Amino acid sequence: SAVISQKPSRDICQRGTSLTIQCQVDSQVTMMFWYRQQPGQSLTLIATANQGSEATYESGFVIDKFPISRPNLTFSTLTVSNMSPEDSSIYLCSVGGVLGQGADTQYFGPGTRLTVL
Amino acid sequence: DAKTTQPNSMESNEEEPVHLPCNHSTISGTDYIHWYRQLPSQGPEYVIHGLTSNVNNRMASLAIAEDRKSSTLILHRATLRDAAVYYCILSNSGYALNFGKGTSLLVTP
Repeated sequence: SAVISQKPSRDICQRGTSLTIQCQVDSQVTMMFWYRQQPGQSLTLIATANQGSEATYESGFVIDKFPISRPNLTFSTLTVSNMSPEDSSIYLCSVGGVLGQGADTQYFGPGTRLTVL
Repeated sequence: DAKTTQPNSMESNEEEPVHLPCNHSTISGTDYIHWYRQLPSQGPEYVIHGLTSNVNNRMASLAIAEDRKSSTLILHRATLRDAAVYYCILSNSGYALNFGKGTSLLVTP
């Protein structure tokens, strides 16, 4: 398995500001993903974080709003830029393809609970 | 993406078996059937997955219909800790997961 930590675990931010969320895995992984879970809703994929290249964004999500970095096989960041109250959500990092294991299982971090005032 | 259909909610008594159904009539030949669950205030966790044959692990069993158009997640003895939202997801290996609304399981003592 893989153990994933996210920082911060929660934050309250003012509109117009930006927040960077960190995702750290205790094993090397081939795949890293970022999801958003709005209050009372299911998870929505934001993007796939690609090591050494630009992230692949899903429809409705753009790089200017959600820039993503992935400098190596164990770490990624997601920035929520120019925040508005509509960005209040839980942001989750997930990983797949743990080295030495198959690619079928994904592991999720505990999430970052963001509130924008 | 092939879609899945699950009941919005189900209820079970503690220590009883639970059968959570999932319909996926448009499943493709390469789609794996995955089950994840999300406990309150936590990220989703992997439960089980399979392709064609029934699967068992320490958490649950997965029964897959012969035509693969439906599957059932079986919790053999529900505990209060099993109260969660259960997601049935079709995915090829190595791809991101497309979450639907899932089934909210309530376990009563």
